[in-house]
Amino acid sequence: AQSVTQLDSQVPVFEEAPVELRCNYSSSVSVYLFWYVQYPNQGLQLLLKYLSGSTLVESINGFEAEFNKSQTSFHLRKPSVHISDTAEYFCAVSDRSSARQLTFGSGTQLTVLP
Amino acid sequence: GAGVSQSPSNKVTEKGKDVELRCDPISGHTALYWYRQSLGQGLEFLIYFQGNSAPDKSGLPSDRFSAERTGGSVSTLTIQRTQQEDSAVYLCASSFGLAYSDTQYFGPGTRLTVL
Repeated sequence: AQSVTQLDSQVPVFEEAPVELRCNYSSSVSVYLFWYVQYPNQGLQLLLKYLSGSTLVESINGFEAEFNKSQTSFHLRKPSVHISDTAEYFCAVSDRSSARQLTFGSGTQLTVLP
Repeated sequence: GAGVSQSPSNKVTEKGKDVELRCDPISGHTALYWYRQSLGQGLEFLIYFQGNSAPDKSGLPSDRFSAERTGGSVSTLTIQRTQQEDSAVYLCASSFGLAYSDTQYFGPGTRLTVL
């Protein structure tokens, strides 16, 4: 069975500061990794995903995540955050044993302070 | 194009009543998923439909929960004899269903409150 751990439930950070949201997973087979974002009063939106190939994946709004197989991690980073990045971020994993369902972490609330 | 839509957006019901939640997936998506988002349990998988195959019901928490998908498109999640612990946001997602790596696109959810 697979699982996802997001160690930080709340991350407050000042505007223009860098941020890292941590995600660790456990799975016995090859995985696909996702970061979803949920803005206040909105649905889940895909931010970025790792399928194969380059271990560094980027989103259109400046976030990036690096797949680290040896550490079973997929941490999300942004070098300079904006107020508009305030949202809840969910890490998720799927693999060939999961019949395509996503297993989500518990989420990290990122709050960007002025 | 149109995304995943769900109705109603909010539903308040009394304990013991039955409720039906509806999901319209993105046109052309063969895979449809239901998840539940609650304060205590986070995001949990409930059920998965793929084309005309038998659904994967492994995430349904009890036999009070059921779902169907008519004509490979619209899906209805039914909760019978609702309990207060059923209060949550019920999310529907769809994908092309071609690969394990397919992106799932989520609807806005139905917020269910059981009094």
